[in-house]
Amino acid sequence: NAGVMQNPRHLVRRRGQEARLRCSPMKGHSHVYWYRQLPEEGLKFMVYLQKENIIDESGMPKERFSAEFPKEGPSILRIQQVVRGDSAAYFCASSPSAVHGELFFGEGSRLTVL
Amino acid sequence: GQQVMQIPQYQHVQEGEDFTTYCNSSTTLSNIQWYKQRPGGHPVFLIQLVKSGEVKKQKRLTFQFGEAKKNSSLHITATQTTDVGTYFCADTTGTASKLTFGTGTRLQVTL
Repeated sequence: NAGVMQNPRHLVRRRGQEARLRCSPMKGHSHVYWYRQLPEEGLKFMVYLQKENIIDESGMPKERFSAEFPKEGPSILRIQQVVRGDSAAYFCASSPSAVHGELFFGEGSRLTVL
Repeated sequence: GQQVMQIPQYQHVQEGEDFTTYCNSSTTLSNIQWYKQRPGGHPVFLIQLVKSGEVKKQKRLTFQFGEAKKNSSLHITATQTTDVGTYFCADTTGTASKLTFGTGTRLQVTL
């Protein structure tokens, strides 16, 4: 049973370009969460999605960031016009239900903005 | 907003010594989870505590939830080099399984 799959694992972008990060949850999981981790810091919640719905986006920056979880295919975190401060590890996690329980994390996508 | 602080920020121990990290919240916690993140890795779930005063053990790891549900601790007995990593507590209060992570404690173990 494959775990949470994230790609790309590493992504380099120049300032002003777009970054797209993909996340396929574990089989049977319909709840997806995105977290950002700056170097040497903790994980900050960004957004919580279920299939075709954004449930909680209270941690998402108001501009340039968007997320989706379509009916078919992976969840996408999109960052437009990247800046150096966007350099971080972006972790996706999934869970089988909305009840408080373990989150299963992917290995992360590490974005570097030059 | 809610803040979940952990102390110490960093600890370096000799293999065989004990280690404890403390997690403190500014508000009452609903459930507390603990995760371990190896250097360059991703968070891996260790345990969840739900009840006030709860104590759970996993081999050399002992987890406690405070009586007032505003703090928690993780104690490792006789550390090994495989224990190296950052330990995060996380509060599940709020929407579904959304977690608010603590600041983390980075553990370094040397021979």
